[in-house]
Amino acid sequence: DIQMTQSPSSLSASVGDRVTITCRASQSISTYLTWYQQKPGKAPKLLIYGASSLQSGVPSRFSGSGSGTDFTLTISSLQPEDFATYYCQHTYNSPRTFGQGTKVEIK
Amino acid sequence: QVQLQESGPGLVKPSQTLSLTCTVSGGSISSGSYYWGWIRQPAGKGLEWIGRFHASGSTNYSPSLMGRVTISVDTSKNQFSLKVSSVTAADTAVYYCAREAPMARATGDYYYGMDVWGQGTTVTVSS
Repeated sequence: DIQMTQSPSSLSASVGDRVTITCRASQSISTYLTWYQQKPGKAPKLLIYGASSLQSGVPSRFSGSGSGTDFTLTISSLQPEDFATYYCQHTYNSPRTFGQGTKVEIK
Repeated sequence: QVQLQESGPGLVKPSQTLSLTCTVSGGSISSGSYYWGWIRQPAGKGLEWIGRFHASGSTNYSPSLMGRVTISVDTSKNQFSLKVSSVTAADTAVYYCAREAPMARATGDYYYGMDVWGQGTTVTVSS
């Protein structure tokens, strides 16, 4: 199985900050990487697929990059509604494992 | 607009079988474009991918649950189901069903992502 490791596990940031979350795969997955946002008590929401393509309706302050084993999710200017937990998931093969999540909290 | 809704018992006794159903509305589960899957999340913890199936009949399961989990489909009801046998307290979680869809990048290639989710249903394993 491909293991996905996110860092950091949590971070504190202020509104307007630039935030970067990293996801590393245990083997190369090309660009088969998806990012989700989850708010408390809610189902996850798809943000980015194919490592860098923005899902329809997702604000352009979200961006993704990377290929192979190292990937990044960036929020260019953190907004109040962005405080949530973010998960990466690979779609290279099955099982489609998730990272352990990164919780973005208010500083 | 496709919507998914999980249903099933909220309480299951240890060693018994957990059974959940996901009802799909606004679209056909028989469409060859999509996978239909299950994900779970213990309270306060991360997401765990359980498995998925495709209208072609192919299924994939997490090795950590292999042998205990079955995903099946009832096309006449536009539903798919999850069964987890021999449950323990470790199977207590919120269970989500989701659609995994192919999405095109500007380069023309396709990548899969879970773009539609149910609201989730809480299952507790306890005597």
